[in-house]
Amino acid sequence: ELKVEQNPLFLSMQEGKNYTIYCNYSTTSDRLYWYRQDPGKSLESLFVLLSNGAVKQEGRLMASLDTKARLSTLHITAAVHDLSATYFCAVIIQGGSEKLVFGKGTKLTVNP
Amino acid sequence: DAGITQSPRHKVTETGTPVTLRCHQTENHRYMYWYRQDPGHGLRLIHYSYGVKDTDKGEVSDGYSVSRSKTEDFLLTLESATSSQTSVYFCAISETWAEQYFGPGTRLTVT
Repeated sequence: ELKVEQNPLFLSMQEGKNYTIYCNYSTTSDRLYWYRQDPGKSLESLFVLLSNGAVKQEGRLMASLDTKARLSTLHITAAVHDLSATYFCAVIIQGGSEKLVFGKGTKLTVNP
Repeated sequence: DAGITQSPRHKVTETGTPVTLRCHQTENHRYMYWYRQDPGHGLRLIHYSYGVKDTDKGEVSDGYSVSRSKTEDFLLTLESATSSQTSVYFCAISETWAEQYFGPGTRLTVT
């Protein structure tokens, strides 16, 4: 059974600082997604990582995937208040079902 | 934005009553999903569909049933609602090898 763990679950940062959110998963998978959710809102797709070594960047966020280590990271560079949100990683279950297993989410708060 | 709507957006119902939530898409995507989101649990898959009349259970399917008679509609039914089913329900759609797009959510309260 695929299990997905994110850490930390809560992260309070100062503006301008860097930090990394980690997503570990327990069984083989070659696709991983990152989503953002603002309070009271739906989930918005951030990154799609489709192969080992994949790296995607958008603004101050960069995501990477290491399928051998079963690890993805979401790196935040020079955080700004607008990045405050909850971030989820989700891993595809191998076998063609297109089902995802989500981590519990990381609630990021960026303080001035 | 992907064309996904959910109805109703908010509902309050009493324990023991049946409830049906609707997800409607205009994207003609093959896959449709129902999730529930609860504090401390992230999103958990209830049921999903891989085509018209083709559905399968997810992680937390007990107490829920689904139907998909048309590509664009995926219905989630709580046959007899319980307080433990108070949650925010999200519908999502996708194509093969693509990310899932989420609807706006339905907040359900069972009293």
